[in-house]
Amino acid sequence: AQTVTQSQPEMSVQEAETVTLSCTYDTSENNYYLFWYKQPPSRQMILVIRQEAYKQQNATENRFSVNFQKAAKSFSLKISDSQLGDTAMYFCAFITTTSGTYKYIFGTGTRLKVLA
Amino acid sequence: DTAVSQTPKYLVTQMGNDKSIKCEQNLGHDTMYWYKQDSKKFLKIMFSYNNKELIINETVPNRFSPKSPDKAHLNLHINSLELGDSAVYFCASSPPTLRDTQYFGPGTRLTVL
Repeated sequence: AQTVTQSQPEMSVQEAETVTLSCTYDTSENNYYLFWYKQPPSRQMILVIRQEAYKQQNATENRFSVNFQKAAKSFSLKISDSQLGDTAMYFCAFITTTSGTYKYIFGTGTRLKVLA
Repeated sequence: DTAVSQTPKYLVTQMGNDKSIKCEQNLGHDTMYWYKQDSKKFLKIMFSYNNKELIINETVPNRFSPKSPDKAHLNLHINSLELGDSAVYFCASSPPTLRDTQYFGPGTRLTVL
C-alpha cells in the first residue's frame, strides 16, 4: 500500500526563524512526484513546492525548500524566515502514475503556527 | 479570472436531502477531480474524470454521482445525504502537459443536520 506519514500534528515557530516539517512515504514505484500543499484558514489548497523523484536536486521556491532523501523515502519541508502568513495546515502529498492515472495520496497534515 | 471555482462555498442541509456541488475550471485542463476532506483534515480522492470519462472511482457510496457535461465542468450530486457526509469537498483539475500537478478549488463546506 502507498502511504504518506506526517508525524508532527502541530508545530510552532517564531517569526523570522526556520522550521522543518517532516514527511515520509512508502511506495514500491520508481516514478513518482512529491508535493507540499499549504491550507490556510481560508481553506484554499495552495501548492507550495513540487519534487520529481528522478531528480536528485532538492526543489526550492523562495523561502521554501525540501530535503528529499529517496532511499529513506523522506521528503521534509524547510521554511526559512517564517512569516505570520505561513500559519496554515501543511500537507505532504505523493502522486503515483500507475496505469497512467494520476492519484494523489495525502498525509494527515501538520498544523503550523507562526508566532509574532 | 478565477481558475477553479466551486459553488456553493457553504451548504447546510437536512439528512435525507439530495444536493449538488458544481465545479468549473477555466484553465483548459482536461482532467478534473473530487476530493473529500473530513473533520480531521484528512484529504482523500473520490473521483477523477479525463475528457468527460471516469478514470478514478474510489470506494465511495453510490449515493455520490459525479457528472461531467464537458471538460471544464465536473459536478457532484449526492443523494439521501447522511450525517457522515459532512465535510469539505474540493474540486481540482490538472493539465495534460503536467498531469501530476493539480490545481484546487476553494472547497465547499457541506454540513448535514
